[in-house]
Amino acid sequence: SAVISQKPSRDICQRGTSLTIQCQVDSQVTMMFWYRQQPGQSLTLIATANQGSEATYESGFVIDKFPISRPNLTFSTLTVSNMSPEDSSIYLCSVEVLLPEGVTQYFGPGTRLTVL
Amino acid sequence: AQKVTQAQTEISVVEKEDVTLDCVYETRDTTYYLFWYKQPPSGELVFLIRRNSFDEQNEISGRYSWNFQKSTSSFNFTITASQVVDSAVYFCALIGNNAGNMLTFGGGTRLMVKP
Repeated sequence: SAVISQKPSRDICQRGTSLTIQCQVDSQVTMMFWYRQQPGQSLTLIATANQGSEATYESGFVIDKFPISRPNLTFSTLTVSNMSPEDSSIYLCSVEVLLPEGVTQYFGPGTRLTVL
Repeated sequence: AQKVTQAQTEISVVEKEDVTLDCVYETRDTTYYLFWYKQPPSGELVFLIRRNSFDEQNEISGRYSWNFQKSTSSFNFTITASQVVDSAVYFCALIGNNAGNMLTFGGGTRLMVKP
């Protein structure tokens, strides 16, 4: 498995500001992912972040709003820019781990964001 | 396209009852992986199990058991003798071999276990 930490664990922000969320994993991984979970909803993939290349965004998410960095194999950041109350969600990073029996994604503890 | 359906949005049981959470999936991939995750009120997503598409053996882990049936595209999760600590939202998810490692989640089932 993988041990993943996220900072901050929660934050309350004013609209129009930006917040950068950090994701740190205890081992080197190729693929990292960022998800959003709006209140009472399931998880939606924002983007895939591979080290050494630009992040790949899913439909409905754009780099200007959610810029991502992936400077090395153990770390990534997601920035939520120009926030509005609709951005209030839990943001989770995950990593893909390849095991002999197959692929698995492990998740960080999440960042609970409230935008006023 | 991949799709995961969890028809039960909310289930309420009394402690010590058995409960089954349903999961039905759709994929065109011949090789895929199915998962169950638990999300307690604290918000983190806890990995419970992965099942490969070529392995239809059912699995038991303590009070948890999983029934994988390719014929009905189902991967159901049973908790035996439920406990209050089992209260959480449970997500079923799927990765298809040709889906670029994209994890597709079901809508989740909120399980409430009352004392």
